[in-house]
Amino acid sequence: EPEVTQTPSHQVTQMGQEVILRCVPISNHLYFYWYRQILGQKVEFLVSFYNNEISEKSEIFDDQFSVERPDGSNFTLKIRSTKLEDSAMYFCASRWTSDTGELFFGEGSRLTVL
Amino acid sequence: GNSVTQMEGPVTLSEEAFLTINCTYTATGYPSLFWYVQYPGEGLQLLLKATKADDKGSNKGFEATYRKETTSFHLEKGSVQVSDSAVYFCALSPQTGANNLFFGTGTRLTVIP
Repeated sequence: EPEVTQTPSHQVTQMGQEVILRCVPISNHLYFYWYRQILGQKVEFLVSFYNNEISEKSEIFDDQFSVERPDGSNFTLKIRSTKLEDSAMYFCASRWTSDTGELFFGEGSRLTVL
Repeated sequence: GNSVTQMEGPVTLSEEAFLTINCTYTATGYPSLFWYVQYPGEGLQLLLKATKADDKGSNKGFEATYRKETTSFHLEKGSVQVSDSAVYFCALSPQTGANNLFFGTGTRLTVIP
């Protein structure tokens, strides 16, 4: 069964360092998303991406964040200069259609900023 | 605004017990409602959904009814199994096709034999 895969499963980094989280969405999907969950809090929407551009982003997704689909298969989330409060589980998701199509999630990448 | 409030966990039940996980929402317009489940070591998976008032979503013995009058979408299962142990997330989409899902905090369910 096709699935969304994320790497790394866990990354520990120092504050101020750049981090790239990688996702391989399901191959025929067209819409891509990043969500995050800070420990004990709600899963929050960060950004959606379609046709090689951001279609929507939340207020969390500030200038420190960027997304890219560099090669037609990977979908990456970059945090330019990590802060302690960026520590969270980051979930990638994809779907084929923006209508009632189901959102398929990866198992998440845990980021710990020290 | 749009938000989901979900029953705090963790919840521990014996096998074959009845499960209810409460979920209430606030939304503008006519949202679609979802339950997602995350099994250990896996991603969030759609468990069931309902797109309009009074719809009942069901899957794998789980059910939830979209109640507009009480703004609720409680998850129920008549007889849980050990394999149901997971984290359950209630979520809403403000409208069909909206990019943004609003999630609750998740409820961890542990079923003991």
